[in-house]
Amino acid sequence: NAGVTQTPKFQVLKTGQSMTLQCAQDMNHEYMSWYRQDPGMGLRLIHYSVGAGITDQGEVPNGYNVSRSTTEDFPLRLLSAAPSQTSVYFCASSRIGGTDFHHNEQFFGPGTRLTVL
Amino acid sequence: QQQVKQSPQSLIVQKGGISIINCAYENTAFDYFPWYQQFPGKGPALLIAIRPDVSEKKEGRFTISFNKSAKQFSLHIMDSQPGDSATYFCAGIGGSEKLVFGKGMKLTVNP
Repeated sequence: NAGVTQTPKFQVLKTGQSMTLQCAQDMNHEYMSWYRQDPGMGLRLIHYSVGAGITDQGEVPNGYNVSRSTTEDFPLRLLSAAPSQTSVYFCASSRIGGTDFHHNEQFFGPGTRLTVL
Repeated sequence: QQQVKQSPQSLIVQKGGISIINCAYENTAFDYFPWYQQFPGKGPALLIAIRPDVSEKKEGRFTISFNKSAKQFSLHIMDSQPGDSATYFCAGIGGSEKLVFGKGMKLTVNP
């Protein structure tokens, strides 16, 4: 299994440009999510999905769109990039419905480092 | 509103020493508290986790201590090694699968 894969690894955009960050998982996980990581801020949830066709907003959704047409893929779209969106983006996935004893482990991809000039 | 507060922001210890990371949470709906470890240039990975009805959980050199009444929990790394140098995040998770992370702590273990 490749686990969670993300492309590209690095990207530089100019203000106002659009792009899509790709995320795919091969573990048949129902839950997928996007986080951004900024220095001193931890990881903050952008959007998440509990299955194909179902998405919802996280803590910092403004400026980002998502869709989930298949179980495997969960792309993140920046419609008009801004310097404030310079960050490292992580995609994660997990099963839904843990036992009474634990939630399911979330598996993270290697990240995409985005710079907006 | 920061639901999970983590301290300190950074820590330097000598090889063989004990590293301690503290977290406090506000959301009483959290029912599971994982710790994630992140090496430079990599994504976070689950290290160890605990339920709030358990006061302590140990896996090798890593121990979580949990104080439900104080809404606090901590990670202890015994016999710290240079290979433990990483950023550590505590988190809380409730009825959904949404993880709420602390801001992270950068640990440096000197040889």
